[in-house]
Amino acid sequence: SQQGEEDPQALSIQEGENATMNCSYKTSINNLQWYRQNSGRGLVHLILIRSNEREKHSGRLRVTLDTSKKSSSLLITASRAADTASYFCAPGGSYIPTFGRGTSLIVHP
Amino acid sequence: EAGVAQSPRYKIIEKRQSVAFWCNPISGHATLYWYQQILGQGPKLLIQFQNNGVVDDSQLPKDRFSAERLKGVDSTLKIQPAKLEDSAVYLCASSGVDRGDNEKLFFGSGTQLSVL
Repeated sequence: SQQGEEDPQALSIQEGENATMNCSYKTSINNLQWYRQNSGRGLVHLILIRSNEREKHSGRLRVTLDTSKKSSSLLITASRAADTASYFCAPGGSYIPTFGRGTSLIVHP
Repeated sequence: EAGVAQSPRYKIIEKRQSVAFWCNPISGHATLYWYQQILGQGPKLLIQFQNNGVVDDSQLPKDRFSAERLKGVDSTLKIQPAKLEDSAVYLCASSGVDRGDNEKLFFGSGTQLSVL
């Protein structure tokens, strides 16, 4: 299996600011997914980016992928208090999806 | 579409007791996963089923944990006997594609287990 490592572990910002979190992995992938987990709930799929894509947008989310550096970033623009959650990346391919410790994001109203 | 259903939502037991969790995946999803998430950590895969067959159970503590997926639909995860360190949230997830190129997973809300 391949596990992504998210950075930073914790991020605290004010509402309206942008939040950026990063993911690093070690071997070749076919795709990379980002998930969100609100406190006490299961993970929710946010976005999937394929290895032949460099950037992908979904609403206020922007994901980049640099396969040469084996890294990805998730940008949340104009953050809201409701974005408070933990965010996990899952590098994908012929692997079972595994998760790191995630980035804990707190957005203060 | 209906999501992944899990029950119970919460369970409190004493150490050495037994407990079972139930999961009903999204209709038509062939692949089912059980994850264990300890407080402050990411989900850790315990077992993956493809239809009713086990694909990977390398991280399942088989001396106390067991899981089955009869008829390739519902699944149960059992712990017998429970230890204090089993306190965690147990998440079930399903996906609709083969393991060869994993696509997105759909998670249930989880069962929060407290072992006293």
